[in-house]
Amino acid sequence: NAGVTQTPKFRILKIGQSMTLQCTQDMNHNYMYWYRQDPGMGLKLIYYSVGAGITDKGEVPNGYNVSRSTTEDFPLRLELAAPSQTSVYFCASSSGLAGTDTQYFGPGTRLTVL
Amino acid sequence: DAKTTQPTSMDCAEGRAANLPCNHSTISGNEYVYWYRQIHSQGPQYIIHGLKNNETNEMASLIITEDRKSSTLILPHATLRDTAVYYCIVRVHGSGNTGKLIFGQGTTLQVKP
Repeated sequence: NAGVTQTPKFRILKIGQSMTLQCTQDMNHNYMYWYRQDPGMGLKLIYYSVGAGITDKGEVPNGYNVSRSTTEDFPLRLELAAPSQTSVYFCASSSGLAGTDTQYFGPGTRLTVL
Repeated sequence: DAKTTQPTSMDCAEGRAANLPCNHSTISGNEYVYWYRQIHSQGPQYIIHGLKNNETNEMASLIITEDRKSSTLILPHATLRDTAVYYCIVRVHGSGNTGKLIFGQGTTLQVKP
């Protein structure tokens, strides 16, 4: 199993540009999450999904959109990039089963908005 | 989910035990204590979790006080590769739980030769 994969690894955007961060997991996990991590800080939850077709907002959803059309994929969309969105983005997944809901994280996407 | 308090940083000599404390004085009866770590620039990695009994796995041991208001993560023989930020998180399990994790600042553990 590859686990949780994220693309791209690095990206530089100009203010106002759009992009989609890709996240795929091959563990057949129901739950998926997007976090962002600013320098020297802990992770903050952006959006999450408990299954295909179901998404919900986390702590910091403004400026982002998500979709979950399949169990495997959970893309994160930035519509109008702003310098405040410069961060490292982590995708994670978990089975969602009670007592075994450890989260597995991807390697991250480092985004700079100039 | 209950809030946790951890020291900002700690040092440990290589080969010695690293004991990382966490206070969670407002923990509820159905909240578990989770530990994750984040090695520089990588995604967080699950270490261990427990409810009220002490737990041990191949990576670490988790000691939870009887009143559950604090816990200690123990890395029995720290190596340089254990240098990382360690996060203590408390959360509920079970149906209806979305599995969300609330990360604090964590403890930066520096293992020194």
